[in-house]
Amino acid sequence: QSALTQPPSASGSPGQSVTISCTGTSSDVGFYNFVSWYQQHPGKAPKLIIYEVTKRPSGVPDRFSGSKSGNTASLTVSGLQAEDEADYYCTSYAGSKILGVFGGGTKLTVL
Amino acid sequence: QVQLVQSGSELKKPGASVKVSCKASGYTFTYFAMTWVRQAPGQGLEWMGWINTNTGKPTYAQGFTGRFVFSLDSSVGTAFLQISSLKPEDTAVYYCAREISMVAVDSWGQGTLVTVSS
Repeated sequence: QSALTQPPSASGSPGQSVTISCTGTSSDVGFYNFVSWYQQHPGKAPKLIIYEVTKRPSGVPDRFSGSKSGNTASLTVSGLQAEDEADYYCTSYAGSKILGVFGGGTKLTVL
Repeated sequence: QVQLVQSGSELKKPGASVKVSCKASGYTFTYFAMTWVRQAPGQGLEWMGWINTNTGKPTYAQGFTGRFVFSLDSSVGTAFLQISSLKPEDTAVYYCAREISMVAVDSWGQGTLVTVSS
């Protein structure tokens, strides 16, 4: 059982927006502004798309955005494109003993 | 460009040891910590811990103490992960990744599949 809770699947049509939630606790997501999101295509290494809740690394399209409210972080993908179909993982820092915790991943399908 | 190149797949018997290498290029090795992440077949991601590339001090996540050792050869910009007393449940892809912030790694190795089977 993963420490952070994500929906196992999400879907949307091209051009639409989809939001993936990531629920933790007051000891991780709710306490630290160190939440990241990763995109992983089958057989590939993950790719960082959001870090520190809202920041996008260079080269990541602004269609990807992150937010947080209380113990829940969210990733929004706007203007869905076929290449956005992938697994998405959230993660949060959880202190010096536990380090980081991941969600179980969400499979995003572009219909 | 930043590149992390890992050693190739390994097939090991239970009880054996394995050492995975991760060679960094395209940036100053000691400027960023190196993190290790595990992904079992068909499963999600797990943080294993990280190593300070300035001091060589490793930090291990819960569940990755004892049999797991992070090390460096900074002279050649390479990080290592050694796993001893291998168990079948250690079968996974192991990734090294460059850390830019807490739980944020922006460059990944291609992954090394370690298979533990008798």
